[in-house]
Amino acid sequence: IAGITQAPTSQILAAGRRMTLRCTQDMRHNAMYWYRQDLGLGLRLIHYSNTAGTTGKGEVPDGYSVSRANTDDFPLTLASAVPSQTSVYFCASSPELSDTQYFGPGTRLTVL
Amino acid sequence: AQKVTQAQTEISVVEKEDVTLDCVYETRDTTYYLFWYKQPPSGELVFLIRRNSFDEQNEISGRYSWNFQKSTSSFNFTITASQVVDSAVYFCALSVVPGGTSYGKLTFGQGTILTVHP
Repeated sequence: IAGITQAPTSQILAAGRRMTLRCTQDMRHNAMYWYRQDLGLGLRLIHYSNTAGTTGKGEVPDGYSVSRANTDDFPLTLASAVPSQTSVYFCASSPELSDTQYFGPGTRLTVL
Repeated sequence: AQKVTQAQTEISVVEKEDVTLDCVYETRDTTYYLFWYKQPPSGELVFLIRRNSFDEQNEISGRYSWNFQKSTSSFNFTITASQVVDSAVYFCALSVVPGGTSYGKLTFGQGTILTVHP
């Protein structure tokens, strides 16, 4: 399967719980990204990685962490979820930074 | 800092009408890229077009066309003879070449909800 997969598709989570959103791409892209989409705000970048082994903070990184152990996987972790993290989360990848980004199907997360 | 503004929150048209979605951007960088993405009701984000700041030539792809004008910092998107399947949220986005404090992130506009009625 060519493209980006995300798991889970949706999740309801109690506040204070830890959660990891998974993202895997098979296009051998160097750069990967996590965005959150909120109504009226468009998509905002949480974290990014320009190559395996390196990560960086985006616009709204607080409360989130990422790792990039290999080229294909870029998990996003919420250490202690809060209701304001209720959102749709999109993972994306591109061959290099500033190249066209291709998006996964998204994960709908609800924190109660 | 970069900014993208899509002033039209929602547009409603009847099938076969032409519709233009506006996008205005702000950046101090001289080299940058502009994008349009489509988000249909199913929720995925579909890439439509990427233009670089040195290429102001308008582009046409089937019923879609894009008008890039650096003088007005605009990158407008026109759908000719709209169809019900064009109903979606459309996002305009901007990225700059990585360097310094920039890391090539996409800055998105707020999106325009397009509804095409039969």
